[in-house]
Amino acid sequence: DQQVKQNSPSLSVQEGRISILNCDYTNSMFDYFLWYKKYPAEGPTFLISISSIKDKNEDGRFTVFLNKSAKHLSLHIVPSQPGDSAVYFCAATGNQFYFGTGTSLTVIP
Amino acid sequence: EADIYQTPRYLVIGTGKKITLECSQTMGHDKMYWYQQDPGMELHLIHYSYGVNSTEKGDLSSESTVSRIRTEHFPLTLESARPSHTSQYLCASSAGTPAWDNSPLHFGNGTRLTVT
Repeated sequence: DQQVKQNSPSLSVQEGRISILNCDYTNSMFDYFLWYKKYPAEGPTFLISISSIKDKNEDGRFTVFLNKSAKHLSLHIVPSQPGDSAVYFCAATGNQFYFGTGTSLTVIP
Repeated sequence: EADIYQTPRYLVIGTGKKITLECSQTMGHDKMYWYQQDPGMELHLIHYSYGVNSTEKGDLSSESTVSRIRTEHFPLTLESARPSHTSQYLCASSAGTPAWDNSPLHFGNGTRLTVT
């Protein structure tokens, strides 16, 4: 049974606007959450993470929000750029890393 | 910048052949992992190692085997390839252990395997 879920397979956003990617998880014991970015024919690249003791972590244009009561995290990209077009995976750690199925983001110039 | 290297990037091979997918990292990480990923699906852990001479199977049943004779090297072997093995194989390493400290996984660029 999938413990990390990304329910939106794809998202299109205009350049300069905000991209919001969502992720839900089922296991309340998860304590570390990550976002990865993947271009075609490449491996996932670590983007940003957040510990369960925080509710927000920011790195430049990327911000991750964690809502533990809702078991929900989101990645905000502001402003979105065409180079951000990629597949984004969220992940959570318990005794191992658990990954979602990814959301394909397209930023339209 | 890639500190974890996988070869080959692409491999097309016939059924029944033995293949080895190579993975090396230069970061000195003790923890190394193999994941399998199909399009639109999550990454599935098939093998991991927490140090030299230590290997474990992951959640996804796999007919592959791994070895860890050197810290930097974690090859994956399929003794007899089948079409059901067609997939992308991703090698990763981390400085820490998921259950104990917060260290991200660093991935290689993957091997896209096609078995005909």
